[in-house]
Amino acid sequence: KAGVTQTPRYLIKTRGQQVTLSCSPISGHRSVSWYQQTPGQGLQFLFEYFSETQRNKGNFPGRFSGRQFSNSRSEMNVSTLELGDSALYLCASRPTSAYEQYFGPGTRLTVT
Amino acid sequence: DQQVKQNSPSLSVQEGRISILNCDYTNSMFDYFLWYKKYPAEGPTFLISISSIKDKNEDGRFTVFLNKSAKHLSLHIVPSQPGDSAVYFCAASDSGTYKYIFGTGTRLKVLA
Repeated sequence: KAGVTQTPRYLIKTRGQQVTLSCSPISGHRSVSWYQQTPGQGLQFLFEYFSETQRNKGNFPGRFSGRQFSNSRSEMNVSTLELGDSALYLCASRPTSAYEQYFGPGTRLTVT
Repeated sequence: DQQVKQNSPSLSVQEGRISILNCDYTNSMFDYFLWYKKYPAEGPTFLISISSIKDKNEDGRFTVFLNKSAKHLSLHIVPSQPGDSAVYFCAASDSGTYKYIFGTGTRLKVLA
């Protein structure tokens, strides 16, 4: 099976702009979660989608949003970018009845 | 409030010796724990997990121990190999939510 894919892999944006990141889960996985990784902060949970519904949400401002499509692909959007949004954004998918998540390679976002 | 803590940012071990990575948690609702390994420029890879009904789980060279009363888990790698050099994250979940809280990671360096 193909793994989790994320596009784009690298992105440079300017403060105030918005960005959309994409994630394609492993075939058959209906759960998709997003994480932000910054140096010294580990992986911070953003949100989880399951069957097109947001099931869990982390402690991030409303500028961070997401959605999931009927084919389980997911997008994450960040509006009004700030310098502090520079990070590695990771997507993970999970089989319905399992706990283990499978991560994509991430999208490295740099905000200048 | 960091609910999952990895207090050692880095660890160096000689090849062939045991590596012990530690993780502490504060939320008594957590009942499922996972360890991930991360190489640079890649997403985390699932290593091993343990449910709170067990106190030990073994998979090849990797063993995870859980001490519920101390809210502490550890990952043992025996014998350590240079290819094990990576950042290791522990994660905890309340099984009812499938929401994962990650530690900040420990960078393991196995010296040849």
